[in-house]
This record gives sequence, C-alpha cells and structure tokens, in this order.
Amino acid sequence: DADVTQTPRNRITKTGKRIMLECSQTKGHDRMYWYRQDPGLGLRLIYYSFDVKDINKGEISDGYSVSRQAQAKFSLSLESAIPNQTALYFCATSLSEISNEQFFGPGTRLTVL
Amino acid sequence: QQQVKQSPQSLIVQKGGISIINCAYENTAFDYFPWYQQFPGKGPALLIAIRPDVSEKKEGRFTISFNKSAKQFSLHIMDSQPGDSATYFCAALWGGTGGFKTIFGAGTRLFVKA
Repeated sequence: DADVTQTPRNRITKTGKRIMLECSQTKGHDRMYWYRQDPGLGLRLIYYSFDVKDINKGEISDGYSVSRQAQAKFSLSLESAIPNQTALYFCATSLSEISNEQFFGPGTRLTVL
Repeated sequence: QQQVKQSPQSLIVQKGGISIINCAYENTAFDYFPWYQQFPGKGPALLIAIRPDVSEKKEGRFTISFNKSAKQFSLHIMDSQPGDSATYFCAALWGGTGGFKTIFGAGTRLFVKA
C-alpha cells in the first residue's frame, strides 16, 4: 500500500464550487505539506503543518485553506474554485527537521471550468 | 531573493552519456539542497540531496556538485539510461524553529535516447 495517498486522483469542477482534496499518510510523520505543480513553474508550497495544532501559510496560500484533522490526515480546500486553480496538487510528508526528505503522494489533477 | 533558477528546461542525451542539470539560488539561508525525480503520473521522489558544508555527493550514477560561493549546484547523471528519462527538480530548503521555506526549480525534462 502507498505510504501517502491522495483522493480524488482526478476532479473536474466548475467555477465557484467548493472543493476538498484529501491526503492520508501511514508513515507516522509529523510534517505534512500541500504543493501545486504548474508547467514551467515547478512545485509551489501552499500550506504546511508541523503537527496537528500547527498550520502555516506557504508561498501561494490565497484562495486555499487547510485542515489537519489528525497526524495522518491533511486536507486542502478551495472555498470558491476559479480556473487559474487548475493544476496538479501534491501532498507530501517529512519526518522532522532532522530529516528534510519529503515523501510525495501520487497527486490530484484538478480542472476548474 | 527566493528564486531557484534551473536549466536547461529540456535535455536530450544519448544512452551512456552524461546528463548535467544546473540550479542557482539566491538566499544564503537555504541549508538543504535536494534533487527530485518525477515520472509521468507519479509524485516526485527524492533522488539525492546535499548540505552546504559538502562540495560533492555521489550516490551510484548520480552526483551533486555544490559551489557555495557561487550559490550554484548541479546534478550529474553518469552513464545515462533510457530509464532515467523523467523530469528532474532541484530545490532549496531551510527550516527550523523560525519557520520553513522550500523553493523548487521549474524542472528539466530529460530524455535519454536508446
């Protein structure tokens, strides 16, 4: 079984709709991250969480919100989706500041029409 | 201050050749420099990483060269194979009690011709 799972894997929605992307991990890591990937721009950090009570904005948090329901679960929400939020979204985890290696999920391809 | 510039955007190499991808950063606070490999339909996976107190790190066919004074680092893939065809991302991170920052390069699409 995959260590970092994301649901859904693909989603098509309309402008103005609320969307939630979910991430679960079985690695036992405290740190979780949400990134978006756009062609020619690499990955950009949206939000990160170092533990259940810790939520921090990343580089591009506007238009997004997150919820850390448990150590193993970290959800990303688009309150009112817009077309320029069409992208590939990745969740990632890491163990601690001692080990910076991030483990990525398989991604969610989101299309906003 | 926060950019990581990666080049080239795409690279075609013959099987057995050397693939070289370069990155340059601006913020001297970064203290961890990984390279990630991504295959189509998959998430990125860590390939190799280096900290700024080391000038070179080698793991198998993959080597990172790090030039702290020039704020540049590069990935060398020796004896490139068709299975190495993927997109490669460099990144720069710093993190601790004061916060966390991670910046990725734009990516390089590598194609190794058989």
